Amino acid sequence: DAMVIQNPRYQVTQFGKPVTLSCSQTLNHNVMYWYQQKSSQAPKLLFHYYDKDFNNEADTPDNFQSRRPNTSFCFLDIRSPGLGDAAMYLCATSRDHEGGSKNIQYFGAGTRLSVL
Amino acid sequence: AQSVAQPEDQVNVAEGNPLTVKCTYSVSGNPYLFWYVQYPNRGLQFLLKYITGDNLVKGSYGFEAEFNKSQTSFHLKKPSALVSDSALYFCAVRFYSSASKIIFGSGTRLSIRP
Repeated sequence: DAMVIQNPRYQVTQFGKPVTLSCSQTLNHNVMYWYQQKSSQAPKLLFHYYDKDFNNEADTPDNFQSRRPNTSFCFLDIRSPGLGDAAMYLCATSRDHEGGSKNIQYFGAGTRLSVL
Repeated sequence: AQSVAQPEDQVNVAEGNPLTVKCTYSVSGNPYLFWYVQYPNRGLQFLLKYITGDNLVKGSYGFEAEFNKSQTSFHLKKPSALVSDSALYFCAVRFYSSASKIIFGSGTRLSIRP
């Protein structure tokens, strides 16, 4: 009964070759996040969608883009992966609403990206 | 600015002994604090949170955390450690200017030896 599903679990791409990671959720949460995590470090927020509104972090490189075609799905596009982009990419969701936020985030199992 | 600090990269405890994973915070206003756990090659799992109310918060898998306002701490505790508790633990605080975002600490690797 996985609630946040990331595909694939492992992705290998070549230097400079565009790659897309996918995330789907069955929780009907209105917020979806993408994090980058390297070597057991703290997850670093890349961007998040609050409903359809896209919120980019100031230090997220332009190389990283995202799409959310509907409530259930969210994609992370890396236009020209570099060696430094090899990492675990985590998708998360939460139910937030005006006037209060429970802020519990539900994470997928992650996609480990390797760049050759 | 909001931040959390986890002063220990690694904590080693013998099975059956009590464990503590430390977290201190710095926030503007009232803190919303969280603990998450990450097992190898997995995403993070929510353990517990403090929003308001009792300073002792109980969470999943027998974990609890104590909110201490005077010491600005939110340490994670468990009375009797299990080998299966071995994992990476992250403390987090809500980002005050954006209720949807949280900031994670650097993480503490907990190792429970049999």
